[in-house]
Amino acid sequence: DSGVTQTPKHLITATGQRVTLRCSPRSGDLSVYWYQQSLDQGLQFLIQYYNGEERAKGNILERFSAQQFPDLHSELNLSSLELGDSALYFCASSGVGSEAFFGQGTRLTVV
Amino acid sequence: DAKTTQPPSMDCAEGRAANLPCNHSTISGNEYVYWYRQIHSQGPQYIIHGLKNNETNEMASLIITEDRKSSTLILPHATLRDTAVYYCIVKLPGANSKLTFGKGITLSVRP
Repeated sequence: DSGVTQTPKHLITATGQRVTLRCSPRSGDLSVYWYQQSLDQGLQFLIQYYNGEERAKGNILERFSAQQFPDLHSELNLSSLELGDSALYFCASSGVGSEAFFGQGTRLTVV
Repeated sequence: DAKTTQPPSMDCAEGRAANLPCNHSTISGNEYVYWYRQIHSQGPQYIIHGLKNNETNEMASLIITEDRKSSTLILPHATLRDTAVYYCIVKLPGANSKLTFGKGITLSVRP
């Protein structure tokens, strides 16, 4: 158990819909990272937050957004969903000077 | 972050040592070598990291060459549960640097 909790584990939704994925980091970790893993793209970095502020951004689509709340949990919002958004979405957290630990992911299926 | 090169796949017999190579010829002086693995769509799991000295923990050993241009992850007694994709990643330490995943090396442990 990495200590990083992601909910839900599975999500099935229709094209055009909007979903929210939630991540609770390990206790005390200030950094949260979001990754997308689809079959043909591998693990792609989306965005990082540090203590509530956006720290780094990867190839995140404009339809996607994220935030980190004062209690340090983070949410990834995906809107206007397309079939190609079907993927595993992972959250990771790290503390100052420590390695990152990953949650077990949310499997999103867009139908 | 410096890039890494790993062979696409390798196998080893159960109970034998698995030696996973990684080239990182453009590594800079303050970049660390990290190893993660991903077992069948689970969240990536941290294994070990190091700067220039060899490192060992309960999971594995990391051997970094003196010029730091390559490294080897050693699983001393591979089991079937070690079958996974192993990622070698070079990055700066701390929360300001994200993990950038390549394709990794698929290790298959055979009975």
